[in-house]
Amino acid sequence: QSALTQPPSASGSPGQSVTISCTGTNSDVGAYNYVSWYQQHPGKAPKFIIYEVNKRPSGVPDRFSGSKSGNTASLTVSGLQAEDEADYYCSSYAAGPNLVFGGGTKLTVL
Amino acid sequence: QVQLVESGGGVVQPERSLRLSCAASGFIFNNYGMHWVRQAPGKGLEWVAIISYDGTKKFYADSVKGRFTISRDNSNNRLYLEMSSLRTEDTAVYYCAKCPTLSCYSSGYALDVWGQGTTVTVSS
Repeated sequence: QSALTQPPSASGSPGQSVTISCTGTNSDVGAYNYVSWYQQHPGKAPKFIIYEVNKRPSGVPDRFSGSKSGNTASLTVSGLQAEDEADYYCSSYAAGPNLVFGGGTKLTVL
Repeated sequence: QVQLVESGGGVVQPERSLRLSCAASGFIFNNYGMHWVRQAPGKGLEWVAIISYDGTKKFYADSVKGRFTISRDNSNNRLYLEMSSLRTEDTAVYYCAKCPTLSCYSSGYALDVWGQGTTVTVSS
């Protein structure tokens, strides 16, 4: 199972919005509404921020939102803050069963 | 609070074995499926294996199938990963993580709580 495709980097200024894409196939992202997103700060464990494409776990700010169209899912971070600077990973359930991750996107807050 | 603590990592020679452990607390362990996920140095996340809440169903990534075995001890709230025939490419931080629901499938294999990780280095 190939990894999902994410841009290696993204950036935005404080207060702006940034969107990170996650492209899969019709065997994973396109087949199931089971896309999750994780935030990982350097040296730390990943943190769960989006599940089932667009649902937020309790405690996650509503500045984080998710969406999906066809084989591409997206994470939008609105009102960028300095603490949002981190690596972001998408994942999708795939038949097998299997779980595939994206390669990760490093978000820089300028 | 909900907590997962991995242990058992270390430096091991190629073709040798190692067992990782994950101690769970703060939740009813036998009500949730569990995963192992790894991250090679400077690389992204890679799913390794999943086990159902009762230990009856286990699935593995192709990269570890036949070499790694996931198991759990619900009486002691522990998750394990037995790794054999280790290769240099197995070098990574290994995380245990919890499914948000009893059936991991019903939450699409999401991982809602992660441990801090334990480092495995395979080197001669």
